[in-house]
Amino acid sequence: EAGVVQSPRYKIIEKKQPVAFWCNPISGHNTLYWYRQNLGQGPELLIRYENEEAVDDSQLPKDRFSAERLKGVDSTLKIQPAELGDSAVYLCASSYSRGWDTEAFFGQGTRLTVV
Amino acid sequence: SQQGEEDPQALSIQEGENATMNCSYKTSINNLQWYRQNSGRGLVHLILIRSNEREKHSGRLRVTLDTSKKSSSLLITASRAADTASYFCAFTGGGNKLTFGTGTQLKVEL
Repeated sequence: EAGVVQSPRYKIIEKKQPVAFWCNPISGHNTLYWYRQNLGQGPELLIRYENEEAVDDSQLPKDRFSAERLKGVDSTLKIQPAELGDSAVYLCASSYSRGWDTEAFFGQGTRLTVV
Repeated sequence: SQQGEEDPQALSIQEGENATMNCSYKTSINNLQWYRQNSGRGLVHLILIRSNEREKHSGRLRVTLDTSKKSSSLLITASRAADTASYFCAFTGGGNKLTFGTGTQLKVEL
């Protein structure tokens, strides 16, 4: 079974430019997460989808970040315009919710460098 | 902001020794999970313990949970060089929101 697929793996952009990340979750997984991880720290949740509905986006900087989950499957995360402080690894994860015992499966991440 | 903290931040041991890392959290939880992250495989789920459980084993892993103290520990017995990685606790509170701790960097030396 294919895991969570993210692209691109690496992205270098100049500040003020837009950037987009794509995530294809595991088939059948209804919950999708986007996390941001800074060097030496744990992942921080940006947004969580239950099917196509964003149910937790309190940590998403909505002035520059946006996300969507098409038909409750693939998802894109966009930053426009990017700032130097956005340099981080962006992780996508998915899970199949069955009660509270949900194990999340992570993609390899996209390492973003803003210069 | 993260709601889980782990200690130690870094741990260096010899192969064959046991490694213990601790996690503290602030909210009520439904379960607590441990994940491992290394450069080769990304974040991988290791073990899950429910809020009504006190201890759980999986191979060389032993997890304890004390909800009264809002803390958990992960013990890796007979460590191997391949265990070198960062370890994160994560927990779910309301719904499926999964919140991670700050992580412990483990280095197992030959």
